[in-house]
Amino acid sequence: DAMVIQNPRYQVTQFGKPVTLSCSQTLNHNVMYWYQQKSSQAPKLLFHYYDKDFNNEADTPDNFQSRRPNTSFCFLDIRSPGLGDAAMYLCATSSQQGAEQYFGPGTRLTVT
Amino acid sequence: RKEVEQDPGPFNVPEGATVAFNCTYSNSASQSFFWYRQDCRKEPKLLMSVYSSGNEDGRFTAQLNRASQYISLLIRDSKLSDSATYLCVVNMNTGFQKLVFGTGTRLLVSP
Repeated sequence: DAMVIQNPRYQVTQFGKPVTLSCSQTLNHNVMYWYQQKSSQAPKLLFHYYDKDFNNEADTPDNFQSRRPNTSFCFLDIRSPGLGDAAMYLCATSSQQGAEQYFGPGTRLTVT
Repeated sequence: RKEVEQDPGPFNVPEGATVAFNCTYSNSASQSFFWYRQDCRKEPKLLMSVYSSGNEDGRFTAQLNRASQYISLLIRDSKLSDSATYLCVVNMNTGFQKLVFGTGTRLLVSP
């Protein structure tokens, strides 16, 4: 089945220790997104790629970076995680901008 | 005004009940609308897209009212398995066609 896969599902990192979250998709979608979701809040868009074009949301901290080496894979790098970065990180894809998005299962990040 | 606004609930209903959620959005130029379902500590899953003419999928009916800028979701014959948070999602249609998520309405269906 075509799907969006995220690894790891659970990640524990120390305050200030860089961490990378990964996402892959078999849907061959052009657009990939990274969201941050905290408890009882809406998913918050961090950035997205339309093909190779990277688009950062204005309020995404510099601490968050992303890479998309090919159509199938996208990575979220958190350079110096703070306690406030503990959240669920969701990767999503869509065939085009504005279309329905399909989410991976998420990576739950804990910062100690 | 929030871009997408929903009543957070929770809505507590017995099995078999009919329940309706509303969602309002701020951008009159918005073109596409969706309802997602999110279970606790899981990812959002697309429930249905919302079309101008309204659409139905089994027990679920979605309606769009452009004049009043709201969309609705009606669930008939509620099942225990319908317990979840329902997210209203709107394409803001501003430059990059960004989907904006509401904070969700929580539904609890009890036996």
